[in-house]
Amino acid sequence: NAGVTQTPKFQVLKTGQSMTLQCAQDMNHEYMSWYRQDPGMGLRLIHYSVGAGITDQGEVPNGYNVSRSTTEDFPLRLLSAAPSQTSVYFCASSYAPGSGANVLTFGAGSRLTVL
Amino acid sequence: GQNIDQPTEMTATEGAIVQINCTYQTSGFNGLFWYQQHAGEAPTFLSYNVLDGLEEKGRFSSFLSRSKGYSYLLLKELQMKDSASYLCAVRDSNYQLIWGAGTKLIIKP
Repeated sequence: NAGVTQTPKFQVLKTGQSMTLQCAQDMNHEYMSWYRQDPGMGLRLIHYSVGAGITDQGEVPNGYNVSRSTTEDFPLRLLSAAPSQTSVYFCASSYAPGSGANVLTFGAGSRLTVL
Repeated sequence: GQNIDQPTEMTATEGAIVQINCTYQTSGFNGLFWYQQHAGEAPTFLSYNVLDGLEEKGRFSSFLSRSKGYSYLLLKELQMKDSASYLCAVRDSNYQLIWGAGTKLIIKP
């Protein structure tokens, strides 16, 4: 099994450009999420989804869009890139949050630089 | 507000024991997680505590005290490959994860 597949691994953008980070999982997980990781800070939740057709905002949603048309895919769109969006982005999935551990499985990460 | 505190960096010697502490203040509690993250890689799951006490898994153990808002990760017989960041995360009443900034553990020969 591939687990969580994230692309691209590296990307450089100019301010104002748009792009999409792709995320796909093959574990039939209901829950999918996008985090950003910045030096000296904890992982911060951008958007999440508890199933196909359902998305919700996390802690830092501004400047990002998501959609969940299938159980497997959860792309993250940067609408108009800004230098403040320079970060490492992780996609993560799990079974539906509830009782039990429901451990998150992370993708390999996407390092984005906005000039 | 919700807050997770853990030391920024720790140094230990190969073969020794190290304890990484985590204190938390969150809106509700539905479990505490420890993840390991090697530089340039994704976090990987280490342990989960939802009841008070010690959970042992090989060289790694994790302890939880809900009344004190406190957990620690204990690493025994340290190996060079244990050099990594260790992330503490608490699942709150909405089942969302609140993450600490991580503790960078440096192992010296």
